[in-house]
Amino acid sequence: DTEVTQTPKHLVMGMTNKKSLKCEQHMGHRAMYWYKQKAKKPPELMFVYSYEKLSINESVPSRFSPECPNSSLLNLHLHALQPEDSALYLCASSPRELFSGNTIYFGEGSWLTVV
Amino acid sequence: AQTVTQSQPEMSVQEAETVTLSCTYDTSESDYYLFWYKQPPSRQMILVIRQEAYKQQNATENRFSVNFQKAAKSFSLKISDSQLGDAAMYFCAYRSADQGGSEKLVFGKGTKLTVNP
Repeated sequence: DTEVTQTPKHLVMGMTNKKSLKCEQHMGHRAMYWYKQKAKKPPELMFVYSYEKLSINESVPSRFSPECPNSSLLNLHLHALQPEDSALYLCASSPRELFSGNTIYFGEGSWLTVV
Repeated sequence: AQTVTQSQPEMSVQEAETVTLSCTYDTSESDYYLFWYKQPPSRQMILVIRQEAYKQQNATENRFSVNFQKAAKSFSLKISDSQLGDAAMYFCAYRSADQGGSEKLVFGKGTKLTVNP
């Protein structure tokens, strides 16, 4: 059973819509991540939050806007997306970013389709 | 920059038999961590096994074990007594132990494992 919970599991949105993906973990982890995964490809890192502060933005377009309201929650706000943004979005967490040996745990992902 | 190579896009194994998935990596660092993740059709990435580079002993987790050859920069995964539930995409991943580069997991392209009954 995953301890990183993502909602919704499936989302279909139009190119003019505004929607959000949500992620929650209750493992006390202080680092949280968003990854994007296209079919038959490995996950690609988008953002990293460490202690609720954005520490990495992998040159992600501004139509993706992350938010970390507290240490347990991570949101990804979506606006004016393109069809090529359709993918599986994975949230992950780890105990603490700088202790790099700590394992990154993934949620089940949110399937996003942009029409 | 570190790279991870999985040279087998697809592999198949008969149920109850053993299969080995290959992974090589390139790094100039001496301290790092290696992982195997499994992604079944449900798409959740599940940690299978992890290896610290400073440990000579190969990691094992039940039916899963690794053959870690640091000098050769090789990190293969052996699955013994394969089960139908082992069918998945398997990703090898590298994580630096350096604080400045520790945030990222570098993934290989994956190996799709099929288990035949």
